[in-house]
Order: sequence, then C-alpha cells, then structure tokens
Amino acid sequence: DQQVKQNSPSLSVQEGRISILNCDYTNSMFDYFLWYKKYPAEGPTFLISISSIKDKNEDGRFTVFLNKSAKHLSLHIVPSQPGDSAVYFCAASGGDSGAGSYQLTFGKGTKLSVIP
Amino acid sequence: EAQVTQNPRYLITVTGKKLTVTCSQNMNHEYMSWYRQDPGLGLRQIYYSMNVEVTDKGDVPEGYKVSRKEKRNFPLILESPSPNQTSLYFCASSSLGETQYFGPGTRLLVL
Repeated sequence: DQQVKQNSPSLSVQEGRISILNCDYTNSMFDYFLWYKKYPAEGPTFLISISSIKDKNEDGRFTVFLNKSAKHLSLHIVPSQPGDSAVYFCAASGGDSGAGSYQLTFGKGTKLSVIP
Repeated sequence: EAQVTQNPRYLITVTGKKLTVTCSQNMNHEYMSWYRQDPGLGLRQIYYSMNVEVTDKGDVPEGYKVSRKEKRNFPLILESPSPNQTSLYFCASSSLGETQYFGPGTRLLVL
C-alpha cells in the first residue's frame, strides 16, 4: 500500500509561470515532509521541508504548503526556470523517536519540464 | 566537503556473480540507508542502519545483504545477483533531525 502518492508522473510548464507539484499521504503518523529534486545521473538533493506544526514554508522561489486535514502537500515554484526541470520526489517521515524519525517514505516522483 | 560516495558508479555483471557496492560518508552520520530506484516505482528502501552493528530491513530486502562495521561505511552486498536486481541504487545518510544526503548513484545491470 502506497503511503505517499504523487499522482502526476509528469508536468510541463512554461518558463516564468508557476509549477505546482502535488503529494498525498495516508499515514497519520507522518509529521515531517520533504521535497527532493533529482537530475539525471545524480542523487536526489534536498529542496525544502515542512513540519506538521506548520502549514507553509517558503525558501526563495520554492514554497511548500501542508493541509493536514486533507493529508495533502504541494510544492509551488514561482517563477519556474528551465533549470528546474528535474524529477521531484515527495517524502515523509514520522512516528516514534527511533527508526521512524529517520525513515523516509518516498512517492514515485513527478517529472517537471520547464519549457523556455 | 560533506559528501556520500558510492563505488562503482556503473557495473555490468552476470547472474550469480557476487558483487559489493560500497558507500561511505564523511559527516559522522549515525543513520545510513540503501535505496533502489526503478521506473514508475520511485525510491524504495532496501536496508538501513541506525548505527554501527545495527541494521534492519527496508521495504525490498530480498536478495541483498548489508553490514555496518564502521560508522562511515555501509556496503551493499548482492550474493547472487539476478536480472530483477538491475536498477539504480542510492546510498544515503543522515543524523537525527536532519535531512538525508544521497550519494550519486550506482547503475547496475545484471545479465
């Protein structure tokens, strides 16, 4: 059973416009959410995160929104740039102070293409 | 420079020939993990380690072994590789409360 879902395998956006990537989760124990970005031939790199005590976190052009009641989070990229073209993975962690605090459960990823 | 390194980056092997993929981190992280990435399946965890001599299974451990004899190293062992283990493998490490840092990946082809 998939606990973190990214239902859009791909997304195309014009340069300068907003990119919105969505993620849903089912496990109520998740309390920390992250977005990773992955370019071909490289490992995923951390982009932005949000704790469950917040509903928004912003870092430059990137904003993550969390709706706990809907178990939904989204990543907004404004304005989108061609260099943002990559695969974006949503991930979640949580639970007890043991392994659950370290473990990340990933979605399947969304491939973003920003068209110049 | 803080980093996670993996070797080799690319490997072609044949069914049944034992292989080891090494992973090393220089950040003194207690937690290390192995993932595999397959098309349409995202990142799936194979094994993880909370500290030296402490390892546990992830979501897809079948056909793999790991060891954690030193804090910085976490090798992934395929005792008898099969074609369904053809994949892109990532090692990651972190400390509690920090994000995971990923290595550059190892692309494995098992013929």
